[in-house]
Amino acid sequence: DQQVKQNSPSLSVQEGRISILNCDYTNSMFDYFLWYKKYPAEGPTFLISISSIKDKNEDGRFTVFLNKSAKHLSLHIVPSQPGDSAVYFCAAVNRDSNYQLIWGAGTKLIIKP
Amino acid sequence: DSGVTQTPKHLITATGQRVTLRCSPRSGDLSVYWYQQSLDQGLQFLIQYYNGEERAKGNILERFSAQQFPDLHSELNLSSLELGDSALYFCASNVAGEGADTQYFGPGTRLTVL
Repeated sequence: DQQVKQNSPSLSVQEGRISILNCDYTNSMFDYFLWYKKYPAEGPTFLISISSIKDKNEDGRFTVFLNKSAKHLSLHIVPSQPGDSAVYFCAAVNRDSNYQLIWGAGTKLIIKP
Repeated sequence: DSGVTQTPKHLITATGQRVTLRCSPRSGDLSVYWYQQSLDQGLQFLIQYYNGEERAKGNILERFSAQQFPDLHSELNLSSLELGDSALYFCASNVAGEGADTQYFGPGTRLTVL
């Protein structure tokens, strides 16, 4: 039972344009969401997060939007840069499971020059 | 560099064998998490320790066990290995052991079971 789904295994975007990565979840008890970024041969690194009481959080080129009614969140990267090429994981905090992270399968973002 | 170290980087072994993966958390972090990432899958939470005590358990097989030592480093023991155990194993750490807090990940150990 996949509680956090990233339905796009990969996404290709032109440098300078907007990248939009999507994440859907099924558990309405999730109350905090995080995005992590992963380069090859490295562990994931934290990127940005959002609490379920908000609908938007912005940090520089990165903005996360949360639509609770649709159980959907998205990560916007504007403008996209070559260094953004990586795998992006969406994760949710489950307060019913000792606040552990439930992870999506990841989306590989490729920024084309 | 996250400050979390994991050894070894790569491990190749045979079915039925036992291996130990090691993790040293960031200086000052009390909590250690272990994750498994199989091919093209998300990270599966295995187990969490906080200051030497087990805090939470995920989908960890009975063949797997872990511990956190007084110096806060942690070891993940995998026994009676099967082909399906081949995966990347990540260790992460944070200060207070809350999932919503940023976790700092090590580079991972790639386990190949032949």
